[in-house]
Amino acid sequence: QKEVEQNSGPLSVPEGAIASLNCTYSDRGSQSFFWYRQYSGKSPELIMSIYSNGDKEDGRFTAQLNKASQYVSLLIRDSQPSDSATYLCAVNQAGTALIFGKGTTLSVSS
Amino acid sequence: DVKVTQSSRYLVKRTGEKVFLECVQDMDHENMFWYRQDPGLGLRLIYFSYDVKMKEKGDIPEGYSVSREKKERFSLILESASTNQTSMYLCASSLLAGGSGELFFGEGSRLTVL
Repeated sequence: QKEVEQNSGPLSVPEGAIASLNCTYSDRGSQSFFWYRQYSGKSPELIMSIYSNGDKEDGRFTAQLNKASQYVSLLIRDSQPSDSATYLCAVNQAGTALIFGKGTTLSVSS
Repeated sequence: DVKVTQSSRYLVKRTGEKVFLECVQDMDHENMFWYRQDPGLGLRLIYFSYDVKMKEKGDIPEGYSVSREKKERFSLILESASTNQTSMYLCASSLLAGGSGELFFGEGSRLTVL
């Protein structure tokens, strides 16, 4: 059973701060990595995808991937109360489908 | 925009009933998936399909079956519902296979088994 691990949180940050979310995975064959955001009572929605080592930036969001360490992270700069949600890390299990971590709950206080 | 539609948002069934959860997508995606989501356990893969008539077991297929007779429709079947199948069920579709691409989720079907 391949695994994706995340700290469940809650992670609490003040408005305007940087939120750092981390994820580790066990399948060395994984090639595709995603961060989804899920608001309470809603379905997950894609924030970022990353496929190669290094950083990928999109607005206030930066995804970081280190395949040697089997580590993926998501940084949210200038955090806003509207960023309060559960963030799901997802990793492809080679040849099959996405496997999700249990999610980290982020709370941004104004 | 991709739209994934799950036919029932809320269902209440009794133990032993046969339950059908329907999912339809409108973007001609080959790949469709069923997950369940439970507090503290996250999203877990039940079944997936990369083609019509084709199905593959995910991590927790026990007690479930699926049907994919048409490309746009992927149904999850609980042959004899049990209380431990009370959960939120999420259907998703994807353009790319092998977990390589973005998943588009439906709004979910919350099933309660009494």
